[in-house]
Amino acid sequence: EPEVTQTPSHQVTQMGQEVILRCVPISNHLYFYWYRQILGQKVEFLVSFYNNEISEKSEIFDDQFSVERPDGSNFTLKIRSTKLEDSAMYFCASSGGLAGVWYTGELFFGEGSRLTVL
Amino acid sequence: KNEVEQSPQNLTAQEGEFITINCSYSVGISALHWLQQHPGGGIVSLFMLSSGKKKHGRLIATINIQEKHSSLHITASHPRDSAVYICAASRSQGNLIFGKGTKLSVKP
Repeated sequence: EPEVTQTPSHQVTQMGQEVILRCVPISNHLYFYWYRQILGQKVEFLVSFYNNEISEKSEIFDDQFSVERPDGSNFTLKIRSTKLEDSAMYFCASSGGLAGVWYTGELFFGEGSRLTVL
Repeated sequence: KNEVEQSPQNLTAQEGEFITINCSYSVGISALHWLQQHPGGGIVSLFMLSSGKKKHGRLIATINIQEKHSSLHITASHPRDSAVYICAASRSQGNLIFGKGTKLSVKP
């Protein structure tokens, strides 16, 4: 069964360092998302991505964050200069949908990447 | 103010019991998702609803758009159903507002 894969599963970094979290969405999906979950808290939306551009982003997704789809298969989340409060589990998700018509569709999540900022 | 409210927060059941988890939302939505989060943290989509009712195996999800309320039912619960169940309201463009989750524990 197709699945969304994320790497790394766990990353420890020092405050101020750049981090890139990688995701391989399901191959025929058109829409891609990042969410995060701080330990003990609810999941929060970060950003949605379609047709090689950001469709929508939350207030959390500030200038320190960026996303790209560099090669048609990977979908990355970059945090430019990590802060302690960026420590969280980051989930990538993808969904299908109709080209040219926004349709969220069923979401397929990766297993998550746990980021620890020291 | 929480735009998506779930109840109960915690639920302990005996194997075989019928379980209901409720979700109320205060925003306009395009769809309502029910998700399952395993102890290891992974998230699996169970249902996406925009109206009516859906059934998959022992799981049933319903939504009442007028009342802005959805329920997830588990029939003949089993210890392997133990997980956190999350309701998430979808606004346009994949922007989900998540509930805090209901932690379900099913005892043998």
